[in-house]
Amino acid sequence: GAVVSQHPSRVICKSGTSVKIECRSLDFQATTMFWYRQFPKQSLMLMATSNEGSKATYEQGVEKDKFLINHASLTLSTLTVTSAHPEDSSFYICSWGKGGWNTEAFFGQGTRLTVV
Amino acid sequence: AQSVAQPEDQVNVAEGNPLTVKCTYSVSGNPYLFWYVQYPNRGLQFLLKYITGDNLVKGSYGFEAEFNKSQTSFHLKKPSALVSDSALYFCAVRDSQAAGNKLTFGGGTRVLVKP
Repeated sequence: GAVVSQHPSRVICKSGTSVKIECRSLDFQATTMFWYRQFPKQSLMLMATSNEGSKATYEQGVEKDKFLINHASLTLSTLTVTSAHPEDSSFYICSWGKGGWNTEAFFGQGTRLTVV
Repeated sequence: AQSVAQPEDQVNVAEGNPLTVKCTYSVSGNPYLFWYVQYPNRGLQFLLKYITGDNLVKGSYGFEAEFNKSQTSFHLKKPSALVSDSALYFCAVRDSQAAGNKLTFGGGTRVLVKP
């Protein structure tokens, strides 16, 4: 399967600061990528979808100004949590799609964000 | 709208016994179905998928799943479970008639295999 690298795996930050999470596809290029958030013992909640070269589409209830997504290239996307608060503490996972309805998605290792 | 249900929060099974994780789905068009596994503090790993063709799909690590259109189910199975299969399992669906190429996940089922 394809390799997706997500960094950092864990981060602790103070309230009010911003945190950037990187997601790279190492061995393929993809135009579409997804950012998910996962609460403890719960399923993945899709936050936004982005295509290279265009703005991200955010799901209902997700603040675009708080969760900034930059789809910089076909192999790199970043999620920046701005002015983080303790309620933003969560597990964030990126996913790249190779395109096509019948293709599986490939996921990064996830980032555990703790805001103190 | 597409949706997925995993009716069991947790499944306990003894090592060596068969393992089944249930999944039902709802779509408007044709379903594209996937199973993923997640280990603690890790991303999801792809196990197998059903797109078309044979209803029995074989995947990684000895897992297989059976697509049943009349029951709108896609249960994950393994004939003989290992302790290392203990993890969180997610069923996911993509609807051929839905816009955006999005995957919708079930709530997840935690599998605990006891020695």
